[in-house]
Amino acid sequence: DGGITQSPKYLFRKEGQNVTLSCEQNLNHDAMYWYRQDPGQGLRLIYYSQIVNDFQKGDIAEGYSVSREKKESFPLTVTSAQKNPTAFYLCASSSGQGAPPSFGDGTRLSIL
Amino acid sequence: AQSVTQLGSHVSVSEGALVLLRCNYSSSVPPYLFWYVQYPNQGLQLLLKYTTGATLVKGINGFEAEFKKSETSFHLTKPSAHMSDAAEYFCAVRGGGATNKLIFGTGTLLAVQP
Repeated sequence: DGGITQSPKYLFRKEGQNVTLSCEQNLNHDAMYWYRQDPGQGLRLIYYSQIVNDFQKGDIAEGYSVSREKKESFPLTVTSAQKNPTAFYLCASSSGQGAPPSFGDGTRLSIL
Repeated sequence: AQSVTQLGSHVSVSEGALVLLRCNYSSSVPPYLFWYVQYPNQGLQLLLKYTTGATLVKGINGFEAEFKKSETSFHLTKPSAHMSDAAEYFCAVRGGGATNKLIFGTGTLLAVQP
């Protein structure tokens, strides 16, 4: 089946630790996105990438990093600089102008 | 700059009653507008979209929305609510520029009472 796979579904971070969230898509989409969801705040854009080897900061990029070495993959690293990482993280991809993004099932990150 | 306001963070309706979820947008360019639904601990599923053309847009699960430029609104409706419609609903507008990133509202949680 074509789609977006996020793993793991649940993730726990210790103090001072970096953790990486995986996002893989087999939809052949050029653009990929990472959103953070907090209760009552909707979805906020962390990073996005329109093409391999290129990415841009979104509205809340501080404390996060990404890479886009392959079209299919867009991993997100939550660094120790992100002081409030507890949230639901959603990865999305789209094929181009005007096409609505498709979403993965999310990763819930919590602090130990 | 683009933005979205969803009026009412919680809406409760009876099964069989009309569902109306409100969304107002601000956009410096002709807007592309979307409604998504989210069930607990899942990702977002596209309900419907407006890009150009007909202002009344029909989506999945019996939902529809009407684009009203004069009111800068894109309200979501369904004539008769089902228990399975209980979920969180997000309105979104495409961000400006050459990207396809979306700007989301804060969401409306729909409860359906038996």
